Amino acid sequence: GAVVSQHPSWVICKSGTSVKIECRSLDFQATTMFWYRQFPKQSLMLMATSNEGSKATYEQGVEKDKFLINHASLTLSTLTVTSAHPEDSSFYICSVTGTSTDTQYFGPGTRLTVL
Amino acid sequence: GNSVTQMEGPVTLSEEAFLTINCTYTATGYPSLFWYVQYPGEGLQLLLKATKADDKGSNKGFEATYRKETTSFHLEKGSVQVSDSAVYFCALKNKAAGNKLTFGGGTRVLVKP
Repeated sequence: GAVVSQHPSWVICKSGTSVKIECRSLDFQATTMFWYRQFPKQSLMLMATSNEGSKATYEQGVEKDKFLINHASLTLSTLTVTSAHPEDSSFYICSVTGTSTDTQYFGPGTRLTVL
Repeated sequence: GNSVTQMEGPVTLSEEAFLTINCTYTATGYPSLFWYVQYPGEGLQLLLKATKADDKGSNKGFEATYRKETTSFHLEKGSVQVSDSAVYFCALKNKAAGNKLTFGGGTRVLVKP
């Protein structure tokens, strides 16, 4: 399967600042990338789906101006949390898939804490 | 819409015990079904999957059978190890939902020596 990395693995920031999280597909052409949010002891909630070179499609209730997603290449997608607030504190996980498979491969996640 | 329901945890077992985690689903058509495992501090890993009725997915001693008649995909392992301690997620995907994964709430399993 694909190897997916995320950077940083954890980040602490002050309220009002912006944070960028990277998701890299190390050995796989990721035509589609997904961003999820996971609250403590809860399941994953899909935030958005992005196809390489296209604008992301956001799930209902997810603010696209607050969670900026860029999928500029087949190996990199970024999620920027703008003007972060404490309620944005969460575990953010990306996954990738491609044209040759319908399996999603997940990154290790990024823990964001907003003070 | 799609939904996945799985038993709440935590499930605490002794080593070599039998593990069952129940999972039922609601979906239109014929979804693909998955079990993912999340070890502490890590992302999700695909454990096994089944794409049509009566298929059995298996991996690392875990098994799950796609039961269309009961809309279930229960996960089983005959003899668990301490290293199986993790959170297990049941999930489904179908074309009606744009092939997006829908996850259950997760079941935390703790295996004691």
